[in-house]
Amino acid sequence: AQRVTQPEKLLSVFKGAPVELKCNYSYSGSPELFWYVQYSRQRLQLLLRHISRESIKGFTADLNKGETSFHLKKPFAQEEDSAMYYCALSGLMGGSEKLVFGKGTKLTVNP
Amino acid sequence: DTGVSQDPRHKITKRGQNVTFRCDPISEHNRLYWYRQTLGQGPEFLTYFQNEAQLEKSRLLSDRFSAERPKGSFSTLEIQRTEQGDSAMYLCASSSRIYGYTFGSGTRLTVV
Repeated sequence: AQRVTQPEKLLSVFKGAPVELKCNYSYSGSPELFWYVQYSRQRLQLLLRHISRESIKGFTADLNKGETSFHLKKPFAQEEDSAMYYCALSGLMGGSEKLVFGKGTKLTVNP
Repeated sequence: DTGVSQDPRHKITKRGQNVTFRCDPISEHNRLYWYRQTLGQGPEFLTYFQNEAQLEKSRLLSDRFSAERPKGSFSTLEIQRTEQGDSAMYLCASSSRIYGYTFGSGTRLTVV
């Protein structure tokens, strides 16, 4: 079964501190992994996808197939990073590219 | 506006009534998805269209739910005989191979 686990419902850090949002997945095959972000009163938007291997807004995420993890990291958190973060996978299941989401982690960056 | 549009933004309905939501995807995207999100959960897949063909439906989509995409452009999601458990945010997304998903702002349904 395809599953995405985000173990932390809430995460609170101070501005300038490193932040890591954890994501583990279960999928028999080679999934695509994504991080989506939802800022207050805004729509869900793509932050990162593992195949592009890029850094967006200072965030990076590395796919670790051995540990089946795709943790999101930023070395120095900013207040504007406060948002809801969702890890998701897509396995081209039936060709639909439907996404399976985790329950999300609410990140609060305190001044 | 070249994003995904959903209408209405909010809907309050009495239990047992029928409701219909509309989604206008990005015009270049041939894939359209419906998701449902309840409090404390991530979005859950409901159904998917490629052009006008509905290719996949989740087990979450009971027979009270029906979705259409008649001309391969906009889509509608209808819920018949609404129940309190149907209260949720209904999200529409469209996708392209290169740019991935774009989500709409959602329709928040409250069944009273």
